[in-house]
Amino acid sequence: DQQVKQNSPSLSVQEGRISILNCDYTNSMFDYFLWYKKYPAEGPTFLISISSIKDKNEDGRFTVFLNKSAKHLSLHIVPSQPGDSAVYFCAASGRSNYKLTFGKGTLLTVNP
Amino acid sequence: DVKVTQSSRYLVKRTGEKVFLECVQDMDHENMFWYRQDPGLGLRLIYFSYDVKMKEKGDIPEGYSVSREKKERFSLILESASTNQTSMYLCASSLGGGHYGYTFGSGTRLTVV
Repeated sequence: DQQVKQNSPSLSVQEGRISILNCDYTNSMFDYFLWYKKYPAEGPTFLISISSIKDKNEDGRFTVFLNKSAKHLSLHIVPSQPGDSAVYFCAASGRSNYKLTFGKGTLLTVNP
Repeated sequence: DVKVTQSSRYLVKRTGEKVFLECVQDMDHENMFWYRQDPGLGLRLIYFSYDVKMKEKGDIPEGYSVSREKKERFSLILESASTNQTSMYLCASSLGGGHYGYTFGSGTRLTVV
């Protein structure tokens, strides 16, 4: 039972354009969501997060949007840069939970 | 700068060997985790620990065990390595619940031949 789903295994965009990565979840107890970025042969690094009391959080070129009624979140990267090419993992947590539940990841390729 | 350190970046072991993967964190975090990453399968939780000497099974514990004798160190043990355990292994630590997020190590690429 996959509680966090990233339905697009890969995404390719041109440098300077917008990248939109999507994530759906099924567990209504999730109230905190995070995005991690992973380069090959490295560990994932934290990118941005959002609490369920918000619908948007912005940090520089990165914005995460949360639609609680649809149980959907998205990560927008504007403008995309070649250095953004990586695997992006969506993760979710419940209030009294030690664990993060991860999606399977989306490989983003930004072409120069 | 906070750190999670995994002892080996690359490891090659033979089928049937007992393998130890070590992870050390310097952040005084309560919780530590072991994941494996495989193409198309994402990050899968093997075991986690929320206190010294405490451990809980994750989603795929079969063939693995763990040890946490000190707060800063969490070891993953492959009792008898098999080729289907060839993978990228990632250790992470967290201050508290999932809301704190994780800090990951750089990973160990294990190949079992």
